[in-house]
Amino acid sequence: ILNVEQSPQSLHVQEGDSTNFTCSFPSSNFYALHWYRWETAKSPEALFVMTLNGDEKKKGRISATLNTKEGYSYLYIKGSQPEDSATYLCAPGSARQLTFGSGTQLTVLP
Amino acid sequence: DVKVTQSSRYLVKRTGEKVFLECVQDMDHENMFWYRQDPGLGLRLIYFSYDVKMKEKGDIPEGYSVSREKKERFSLILESASTNQTSMYLCASRDLTGDYSPLHFGNGTRLTVT
Repeated sequence: ILNVEQSPQSLHVQEGDSTNFTCSFPSSNFYALHWYRWETAKSPEALFVMTLNGDEKKKGRISATLNTKEGYSYLYIKGSQPEDSATYLCAPGSARQLTFGSGTQLTVLP
Repeated sequence: DVKVTQSSRYLVKRTGEKVFLECVQDMDHENMFWYRQDPGLGLRLIYFSYDVKMKEKGDIPEGYSVSREKKERFSLILESASTNQTSMYLCASRDLTGDYSPLHFGNGTRLTVT
């Protein structure tokens, strides 16, 4: 079982602020890293699947970077909106198994 | 869009009951998964299946079993429910034709065992 840590556990930001959070994982035997967004009363939704060291992905105001050598990924949200409020989960792992972090719970205050 | 449907959104069962959680996906995905989510913990893998009638234990299989008789359906069975199995259960499926395909989740079943 991989040890996956996400920080912070929770944060509150004002609408319009930009924010970022971290996912740390053991760097050995890396295969892929997933980011999911989980809104209350909905199912987790995939944001990104990242595989290459130095990879950067973007979806609207959300972007992510990956450093496989040092074992971390950052998720950035530019100009946070209330609809960005959710728990953000990262999950490194192999094709058959992913290990999820406990998530970062983001609340965007209007 | 892939749809993963879990049969119940909320369930309340008594200790010792046999409980079935059903999951159906409509995209012909090979892999299906059962996770549970508890406060302060990440999603933890209970069982997964990579083909019909095939199953593998995840990280926390104790007290659970699974069944996959058809490709689209993956059932989680609590043989004798206990209060420590009160949790949110999530089913997911995944297409492995691409090496890095994401998981598609159902809406979850919140199970309370009293």
